[in-house]
Formats: sequence, structure tokens, C-alpha cells
Amino acid sequence: NAGVTQTPKFQVLKTGQSMTLQCAQDMNHEYMSWYRQDPGMGLRLIHYSVGAGITDQGEVPNGYNVSRSTTEDFPLRLLSAAPSQTSVYFCASSASGGSSYNEQFFGPGTRLTVL
Amino acid sequence: SQQGEEDPQALSIQEGENATMNCSYKTSINNLQWYRQNSGRGLVHLILIRSNEREKHSGRLRVTLDTSKKSSSLLITASRAADTASYFCATASDNDMRFGAGTRLTVKP
Repeated sequence: NAGVTQTPKFQVLKTGQSMTLQCAQDMNHEYMSWYRQDPGMGLRLIHYSVGAGITDQGEVPNGYNVSRSTTEDFPLRLLSAAPSQTSVYFCASSASGGSSYNEQFFGPGTRLTVL
Repeated sequence: SQQGEEDPQALSIQEGENATMNCSYKTSINNLQWYRQNSGRGLVHLILIRSNEREKHSGRLRVTLDTSKKSSSLLITASRAADTASYFCATASDNDMRFGAGTRLTVKP
């Protein structure tokens, strides 16, 4: 199993550009989520999904869109990049069952810089 | 806003010593989890303790949870240089999962 994979590893954008961060998992997990991590801080939840076709907002959703057309994939779209979105982005997945927040498996992260 | 607050922010110890990190939180939870992050890498799950549990062990890790005080502690016994990393607590409730800012642990050989 590859686990949770993310592409790209690094990305530089100019203000106003849009892009999609890719996330895929091969563990058949129903729950997937996106976090951002800023220097010296913990992770903040952007969006999450409890299954294909179902998404919801987390703590910091503004400026980001998600969709979940398959169980495996959960892309994160930046609509119009801003310098405040410079961060490291992590995708995670977990098996559901009771609470949505069981042990989460994290991808390696995408380091995004917006100029 | 962050739910969990780790203490201390940084901890430096010698190999073989024990390391204790604390986490405090504000609202009711379903469970509390601890994760480790090596520099530049993704987070790795260490241990999950449910709200009706008080203590849990996994290898050299011991986690306690006091829901009346809204606090948890992570003890790493007989630390090794390879334990050098940042450690985060994460509180899970029905609608949310919140991470603290982490404790940076350095274990000197």
C-alpha cells in the first residue's frame, strides 16, 4: 500500500493564480481531510469529507474548494492564491466507524509559496 | 483557534531520560490523540485515548487523560536520539478535530 500520497511536493504560485493540490489514498478510507500547517503552529482543518459525494468545511475554509467524486481522491483547489495561503498542506485519511476522528494517516505534505 | 495547548513548547533531554509532555484543552471530546512529526515530514499517529479511558500504554509511550481537568500527558520512557521530533496532541469531538501547536523534543545522544 502506498498509503496517502500528495502531489506536488513543492509549488510556487503568483498572487491570483489558481491550482489544485492532489491527494489520494489506497486504504479504502471513508474519511479524508485537508490541513494547513503554518510555522510554529499546529494543524488547522480546512475541509473534510466523510465519504464520496459528501464534503464539509473545517476551521479555515475560505479561499479553498474541495470535491470528493471517488473514495480514493480528495483534491483541494485554491481559487485565487493569496500570500496568506503560503503554508504546508497535509492531506489525511482515516477509517470511519463511530467518531469520524479515528487514527489519521497523513500524506507527506505540499509546501506552497504564494508570491 | 487551537483546542489543545501543549506544554512545554520545547524540551531538551539526554538519551535514556524520560520525557513528559502535557496537553490542555477547552471543550468536551470523544478522544484525544498524540502524533509525532519529524522535521519536514507528515504526522505519524502514536496513540489514541478515548474519553472514558484514563491511561493507555504503547511500548515506551504512556498516555494519561483527565477529563475533569481537561488535560492529558504523554510520557516517553528511556528516550532515544531517534525520538527527536515535534509532538502534537489532537482533540476529537463530533464535529471537529483540533491540533495544538506542539512540543519540540530534542534528545541528545
